[in-house]
Amino acid sequence: NAGVTQTPKFRVLKTGQSMTLLCAQDMNHEYMYWYRQDPGMGLRLIHYSVGEGTTAKGEVPDGYNVSRLKKQNFLLGLESAAPSQTSVYFCASSPSPGHRGQEKLFFGSGTQLSVL
Amino acid sequence: DAKTTQPTSMDCAEGRAANLPCNHSTISGNEYVYWYRQIHSQGPQYIIHGLKNNETNEMASLIITEDRKSSTLILPHATLRDTAVYYCIVRVGFRYGGSQGNLIFGKGTKLSVKP
Repeated sequence: NAGVTQTPKFRVLKTGQSMTLLCAQDMNHEYMYWYRQDPGMGLRLIHYSVGEGTTAKGEVPDGYNVSRLKKQNFLLGLESAAPSQTSVYFCASSPSPGHRGQEKLFFGSGTQLSVL
Repeated sequence: DAKTTQPTSMDCAEGRAANLPCNHSTISGNEYVYWYRQIHSQGPQYIIHGLKNNETNEMASLIITEDRKSSTLILPHATLRDTAVYYCIVRVGFRYGGSQGNLIFGKGTKLSVKP
């Protein structure tokens, strides 16, 4: 099992450019999440999804959009990148309630994004 | 969800037990205590979680005080590879209707294991 895979691992954007980060999981998890982590800070939840076709806002959703068209994939989009979005982005997945390991989050290895 | 308070940093000698404290004085009866860790530049890794009983797994032990206002994560024989930031999180468990969407990570404790 690959677990949670994020692509790309690194990206540099200019202000105003758009891009999409892809998260894929092969554990058949219902729940998926996008977090960002800034230097010296903990992780902050951007958006999450409790199933295919559903998304919800987290703690810091502004400037981001997400889509969950397939159960195994969760996409994070930046329509018009800003320097404040320079960060490390982590995707995670977890089983849904009632399933073994429901309380655990499994994280990807992160995407380092720089917006100039 | 209840807030947690952790020391900013701690040191531990290799081979000794690492005891990482966490205060959660406003924890509710339906909130679990979770521990994750993040090794430099990697994604966080689940360690252990518990409600009120002490828990042990292959990675660590979790000791929760009787009043549940604090807990301690114990790494019994710390190695250099245990150097990481450790996050203590409290959240309503699924069995009580909790949502994974509000799993909030604070700044954690930076544990440095020294030879």
